[in-house]
Amino acid sequence: DVKVTQSSRYLVKRTGEKVFLECVQDMDHENMFWYRQDPGLGLRLIYFSYDVKMKEKGDIPEGYSVSREKKERFSLILESASTNQTSMYLCASSLSEPSYEQYFGPGTRLTVT
Amino acid sequence: GENVEQHPSTLSVQEGDSAVIKCTYSDSASNYFPWYKQELGKRPQLIIDIRSNVGEKKDQRIAVTLNKTAKHFSLHITETQPEDSAVYFCAASNGNNRLAFGKGNQVVVIP
Repeated sequence: DVKVTQSSRYLVKRTGEKVFLECVQDMDHENMFWYRQDPGLGLRLIYFSYDVKMKEKGDIPEGYSVSREKKERFSLILESASTNQTSMYLCASSLSEPSYEQYFGPGTRLTVT
Repeated sequence: GENVEQHPSTLSVQEGDSAVIKCTYSDSASNYFPWYKQELGKRPQLIIDIRSNVGEKKDQRIAVTLNKTAKHFSLHITETQPEDSAVYFCAASNGNNRLAFGKGNQVVVIP
Protein backbone atom coordinates (compact mmCIF):
# COMPACT_ATOMS: atom_id res chain seq x y z
CA ASP A 1 0.00 0.00 0.00
CA VAL A 2 1.48 3.32 -1.10
CA LYS A 3 2.15 5.71 1.68
CA VAL A 4 2.83 9.41 1.30
CA THR A 5 3.38 11.33 4.50
CA GLN A 6 3.82 15.00 5.22
CA SER A 7 5.70 16.39 8.17
CA SER A 8 2.89 18.47 9.64
CA ARG A 9 -0.92 18.57 9.37
CA TYR A 10 -1.12 22.13 10.66
CA LEU A 11 1.52 24.85 10.71
CA VAL A 12 1.38 28.47 11.78
CA LYS A 13 4.21 30.78 10.77
CA ARG A 14 4.87 34.48 10.82
CA THR A 15 5.37 36.69 7.80
CA GLY A 16 9.00 36.63 6.66
CA GLU A 17 9.85 33.28 8.23
CA LYS A 18 11.49 30.54 6.23
CA VAL A 19 9.19 27.52 6.08
CA PHE A 20 10.03 23.91 5.24
CA LEU A 21 7.36 21.40 4.29
CA GLU A 22 8.54 17.82 4.05
CA CYS A 23 7.08 14.93 2.08
CA VAL A 24 8.15 11.31 2.17
CA GLN A 25 6.95 8.40 0.02
CA ASP A 26 7.75 4.76 0.57
CA MET A 27 7.06 3.26 -2.87
CA ASP A 28 10.23 4.15 -4.76
CA HIS A 29 8.31 6.53 -7.05
CA GLU A 30 10.34 8.57 -9.51
CA ASN A 31 7.99 11.55 -9.58
CA MET A 32 7.03 13.80 -6.72
CA PHE A 33 4.82 16.87 -6.76
CA TRP A 34 3.83 19.83 -4.62
CA TYR A 35 0.38 21.32 -5.08
CA ARG A 36 -1.45 24.13 -3.46
CA GLN A 37 -5.19 23.77 -2.88
CA ASP A 38 -7.39 26.83 -2.40
CA PRO A 39 -11.21 26.97 -2.46
CA GLY A 40 -12.52 27.40 -5.99
CA LEU A 41 -9.06 27.13 -7.53
CA GLY A 42 -8.54 23.38 -7.47
CA LEU A 43 -5.10 21.82 -7.33
CA ARG A 44 -2.36 24.03 -8.68
CA LEU A 45 1.07 22.61 -9.32
CA ILE A 46 3.93 24.48 -7.66
CA TYR A 47 6.90 22.27 -8.52
CA PHE A 48 7.58 18.71 -9.43
CA SER A 49 10.59 16.44 -9.54
CA TYR A 50 11.13 13.46 -11.83
CA ASP A 51 14.39 12.31 -10.30
CA VAL A 52 16.77 13.02 -7.46
CA LYS A 53 18.13 16.57 -7.70
CA MET A 54 15.89 17.25 -10.71
CA LYS A 55 13.03 19.72 -10.56
CA GLU A 56 10.69 21.57 -12.85
CA LYS A 57 8.54 24.59 -12.24
CA GLY A 58 4.83 24.09 -12.20
CA ASP A 59 2.16 26.69 -12.77
CA ILE A 60 2.74 28.82 -9.67
CA PRO A 61 6.40 28.54 -8.58
CA GLU A 62 6.87 32.16 -7.50
CA GLY A 63 7.85 32.45 -3.86
CA TYR A 64 8.68 28.75 -3.54
CA SER A 65 11.68 26.50 -4.02
CA VAL A 66 12.14 22.75 -3.66
CA SER A 67 14.78 20.22 -2.79
CA ARG A 68 15.08 16.55 -3.61
CA GLU A 69 18.28 15.09 -2.22
CA LYS A 70 16.89 11.57 -1.82
CA LYS A 71 14.41 9.70 -3.96
CA GLU A 72 11.87 9.28 -1.19
CA ARG A 73 11.89 12.86 0.08
CA PHE A 74 10.71 16.09 -1.52
CA SER A 75 10.81 19.36 0.35
CA LEU A 76 8.95 22.58 -0.35
CA ILE A 77 10.57 25.77 0.89
CA LEU A 78 8.98 29.14 1.40
CA GLU A 79 11.99 31.46 1.55
CA SER A 80 10.08 34.31 3.13
CA ALA A 81 6.51 33.40 4.00
CA SER A 82 3.78 35.84 3.11
CA THR A 83 0.11 35.93 4.07
CA ASN A 84 -0.96 35.05 0.52
CA GLN A 85 0.81 31.74 0.95
CA THR A 86 -1.73 30.68 3.56
CA SER A 87 -3.17 27.55 2.00
CA MET A 88 -3.44 23.76 2.02
CA TYR A 89 -0.31 22.15 0.59
CA LEU A 90 -0.54 18.66 -0.86
CA CYS A 91 2.34 16.45 -1.81
CA ALA A 92 1.96 13.59 -4.28
CA SER A 93 4.09 10.91 -5.88
CA SER A 94 3.80 8.68 -8.92
CA LEU A 95 5.62 6.26 -11.10
CA SER A 96 6.55 7.21 -14.63
CA GLU A 97 4.79 5.66 -17.65
CA PRO A 98 2.69 3.65 -18.10
CA SER A 99 0.99 4.57 -14.82
CA TYR A 100 0.40 8.21 -14.05
CA GLU A 101 -1.64 7.67 -10.92
CA GLN A 102 -0.66 10.17 -8.28
CA TYR A 103 -0.82 9.24 -4.61
CA PHE A 104 -1.42 12.17 -2.32
CA GLY A 105 -0.28 12.92 1.18
CA PRO A 106 -2.73 14.10 3.87
CA GLY A 107 -1.88 17.75 3.33
CA THR A 108 -0.40 20.53 5.44
CA ARG A 109 -2.63 23.44 6.37
CA LEU A 110 -0.27 26.40 6.53
CA THR A 111 -1.33 29.68 8.07
CA VAL A 112 0.94 32.70 7.72
CA THR A 113 0.12 35.54 10.09
CA GLY B 1 0.07 24.24 -21.37
CA GLU B 2 -2.99 22.09 -20.86
CA ASN B 3 -6.12 23.80 -19.57
CA VAL B 4 -8.86 21.69 -17.99
CA GLU B 5 -12.28 23.07 -17.15
CA GLN B 6 -15.05 21.42 -15.14
CA HIS B 7 -18.78 22.07 -15.16
CA PRO B 8 -20.90 22.52 -13.14
CA SER B 9 -19.02 23.70 -10.08
CA THR B 10 -21.65 22.33 -7.71
CA LEU B 11 -24.11 19.53 -8.33
CA SER B 12 -26.89 18.44 -6.01
CA VAL B 13 -28.66 15.15 -6.67
CA GLN B 14 -31.27 13.10 -4.88
CA GLU B 15 -30.03 9.83 -3.48
CA GLY B 16 -30.49 7.12 -6.08
CA ASP B 17 -30.35 9.50 -9.04
CA SER B 18 -27.44 9.77 -11.46
CA ALA B 19 -24.78 12.48 -11.49
CA VAL B 20 -22.76 13.59 -14.49
CA ILE B 21 -19.74 15.87 -14.39
CA LYS B 22 -18.19 17.09 -17.59
CA CYS B 23 -14.64 18.29 -18.24
CA THR B 24 -13.11 19.89 -21.30
CA TYR B 25 -9.43 20.01 -22.14
CA SER B 26 -7.42 22.10 -24.55
CA ASP B 27 -4.39 20.05 -25.58
CA SER B 28 -5.23 17.56 -28.32
CA ALA B 29 -2.05 15.65 -27.41
CA SER B 30 -3.47 14.71 -24.00
CA ASN B 31 -3.88 10.96 -23.74
CA TYR B 32 -4.66 10.18 -20.10
CA PHE B 33 -7.72 11.37 -18.17
CA PRO B 34 -8.15 10.47 -14.50
CA TRP B 35 -10.82 11.40 -11.99
CA TYR B 36 -9.99 11.98 -8.34
CA LYS B 37 -12.40 12.07 -5.43
CA GLN B 38 -11.71 14.13 -2.34
CA GLU B 39 -13.95 13.62 0.66
CA LEU B 40 -14.13 16.35 3.26
CA GLY B 41 -10.87 16.60 5.19
CA LYS B 42 -9.21 13.80 3.25
CA ARG B 43 -6.69 13.49 0.47
CA PRO B 44 -7.65 13.16 -3.21
CA GLN B 45 -7.79 9.58 -4.42
CA LEU B 46 -8.00 8.16 -7.93
CA ILE B 47 -11.38 6.57 -8.63
CA ILE B 48 -11.24 5.89 -12.36
CA ASP B 49 -9.15 6.81 -15.37
CA ILE B 50 -9.27 6.44 -19.13
CA ARG B 51 -6.72 6.55 -21.90
CA SER B 52 -7.24 8.10 -25.30
CA ASN B 53 -7.47 4.77 -27.12
CA VAL B 54 -10.66 3.91 -25.21
CA GLY B 55 -14.03 5.62 -25.47
CA GLU B 56 -15.62 4.40 -22.24
CA LYS B 57 -14.65 2.66 -19.05
CA LYS B 58 -16.86 1.41 -16.24
CA ASP B 59 -16.23 0.32 -12.67
CA GLN B 60 -19.36 -0.66 -10.74
CA ARG B 61 -21.44 2.51 -10.30
CA ILE B 62 -18.97 4.90 -11.93
CA ALA B 63 -18.06 5.30 -15.58
CA VAL B 64 -16.01 7.68 -17.64
CA THR B 65 -16.60 8.55 -21.29
CA LEU B 66 -14.19 10.30 -23.60
CA ASN B 67 -14.91 12.28 -26.76
CA LYS B 68 -11.54 13.10 -28.34
CA THR B 69 -13.05 15.03 -31.22
CA ALA B 70 -14.85 17.43 -28.92
CA LYS B 71 -12.05 17.26 -26.32
CA HIS B 72 -14.27 16.46 -23.40
CA PHE B 73 -14.70 13.62 -20.95
CA SER B 74 -17.36 12.95 -18.35
CA LEU B 75 -17.78 11.13 -15.07
CA HIS B 76 -21.06 9.28 -14.58
CA ILE B 77 -22.17 8.11 -11.15
CA THR B 78 -25.30 5.97 -11.07
CA GLU B 79 -27.52 5.16 -8.09
CA THR B 80 -25.87 7.87 -6.02
CA GLN B 81 -25.38 7.27 -2.31
CA PRO B 82 -24.54 9.68 0.53
CA GLU B 83 -20.92 8.48 0.50
CA ASP B 84 -20.62 9.83 -3.06
CA SER B 85 -20.78 13.36 -1.62
CA ALA B 86 -17.34 14.81 -2.25
CA VAL B 87 -15.31 17.08 -4.49
CA TYR B 88 -14.41 15.46 -7.79
CA PHE B 89 -11.40 16.59 -9.81
CA CYS B 90 -10.78 15.73 -13.42
CA ALA B 91 -7.32 15.93 -14.91
CA ALA B 92 -5.48 15.45 -18.17
CA SER B 93 -1.95 14.50 -19.13
CA ASN B 94 -0.09 14.51 -22.41
CA GLY B 95 2.45 11.95 -21.24
CA ASN B 96 4.91 14.18 -19.44
CA ASN B 97 4.08 12.68 -16.03
CA ARG B 98 2.28 15.88 -15.08
CA LEU B 99 -1.44 16.18 -14.51
CA ALA B 100 -3.37 19.36 -15.23
CA PHE B 101 -6.31 19.42 -12.81
CA GLY B 102 -9.67 21.10 -13.16
CA LYS B 103 -10.97 23.26 -10.35
CA GLY B 104 -13.22 20.58 -8.93
CA ASN B 105 -16.94 19.85 -8.65
CA GLN B 106 -18.74 19.65 -5.35
CA VAL B 107 -21.29 16.83 -5.52
CA VAL B 108 -23.93 16.78 -2.81
CA VAL B 109 -26.16 13.72 -2.53
CA ILE B 110 -29.39 14.57 -0.75
CA PRO B 111 -30.79 11.66 1.28
